[in-house]
Amino acid sequence: AQSVSQHNHHVILSEAASLELGCNYSYGGTVNLFWYVQYPGQHLQLLLKYFSGDPLVKGIKGFEAEFIKSKFSFNLRKPSVQWSDTAEYFCAVNRANRDDKIIFGKGTRLHILP
Amino acid sequence: DVKVTQSSRYLVKRTGEKVFLECVQDMDHENMFWYRQDPGLGLRLIYFSYDVKMKEKGDIPEGYSVSREKKERFSLILESASTNQTSMYLCASREGGGQADQETQYFGPGTRLLVL
Repeated sequence: AQSVSQHNHHVILSEAASLELGCNYSYGGTVNLFWYVQYPGQHLQLLLKYFSGDPLVKGIKGFEAEFIKSKFSFNLRKPSVQWSDTAEYFCAVNRANRDDKIIFGKGTRLHILP
Repeated sequence: DVKVTQSSRYLVKRTGEKVFLECVQDMDHENMFWYRQDPGLGLRLIYFSYDVKMKEKGDIPEGYSVSREKKERFSLILESASTNQTSMYLCASREGGGQADQETQYFGPGTRLLVL
């Protein structure tokens, strides 16, 4: 069965620090990969997604993620975080071209100190 | 913009009550999903539906049922609420079809259910 593992449950950073949130998945076939974000009091929304092509994907608000197939990883990065990036981040995966359900990781709570 | 609405933001129910959570989407999406979100456990899939009158069990269907009589509406039913069903419930929809541009899920604001 597919699974998604997020390495950090809770991350605390100061503003302007660089961010990298780890995500690994277990599935040997072709996958779609997602990062969703949930800001305090708001609903989950898509941050970025990878389906095919360039493994470096750029999303909203300066976030990017790199798909490394050999490592089954899809880590989220941002060079300089802001206080407004405080949120919970979820990595997710599903099997490509199968209209498959999406499996979510357990989430990483990011807290940015002003 | 896709809009997914849920009937209540907050609900308080008593143990043993029958609870209905309603979800409506306005984008003619084929697929709809119900998740529960608990701290440290992420999102866990309860049930999903690929089309009207179709339903599939997710990872934690026990104690829940669903109904999809119309394409835009997907209801989650707790037949006899229990305290361990206290949680945040999230509904989502997706265009469906398996193509890359149809895979993004759109979420509702959530219903926070407290069972006493």
